[in-house]
Amino acid sequence: ILNVEQSPQSLHVQEGDSTNFTCSFPSSNFYALHWYRWETAKSPEALFVMTLNGDEKKKGRISATLNTKEGYSYLYIKGSQPEDSATYLCAQISGGSNYKLTFGKGTLLTVNP
Amino acid sequence: DSGVTQTPKHLITATGQRVTLRCSPRSGDLSVYWYQQSLDQGLQFLIQYYNGEERAKGNILERFSAQQFPDLHSELNLSSLELGDSALYFCASSVGLYQETQYFGPGTRLLVL
Repeated sequence: ILNVEQSPQSLHVQEGDSTNFTCSFPSSNFYALHWYRWETAKSPEALFVMTLNGDEKKKGRISATLNTKEGYSYLYIKGSQPEDSATYLCAQISGGSNYKLTFGKGTLLTVNP
Repeated sequence: DSGVTQTPKHLITATGQRVTLRCSPRSGDLSVYWYQQSLDQGLQFLIQYYNGEERAKGNILERFSAQQFPDLHSELNLSSLELGDSALYFCASSVGLYQETQYFGPGTRLLVL
């Protein structure tokens, strides 16, 4: 993996379904991974900052895991609600001699009532 | 409301012109980040300042420059504007560096005609 990639690009689920999506990133020089929730016509809102391999974070019905050795993070939403409809972005920060911040293109989640 | 303010909200200008976008970080935050979101691209990291000093540079064009002032507000200067510079420009702030949660402002929408 050379870039930050998110899959799927978009997802439609029914209210009450649980869902998950993936962020893949280069595992070398890993420093941190950020997850954001971005609603249309608003600004990105931070969900999690993850730094350690094996990290698990939770905020209400949303949780995330991190595997820095294999270069991926999963975001889970339990019991999706229409208000969860948004684009979910991940961003990797890599260190080394040059600090680099790279965003994925996001997963657009639509939750149908 | 994240506590990060950006002015102006909208800006319409002509090719070849120069504009300045302003960002005030949350109270107590020392880092300011600038991002560009254009129609055909995801969110692109431009530049980061920490306590008045440039700390990281992303995909920022030479025609663009930024600075962070002693009161910690930041300005992004865009010169010799081209049609392709039309985009939504976000500023974000965080307490420290890299591993801290970033709080995004509402953005400035720039239209170059």
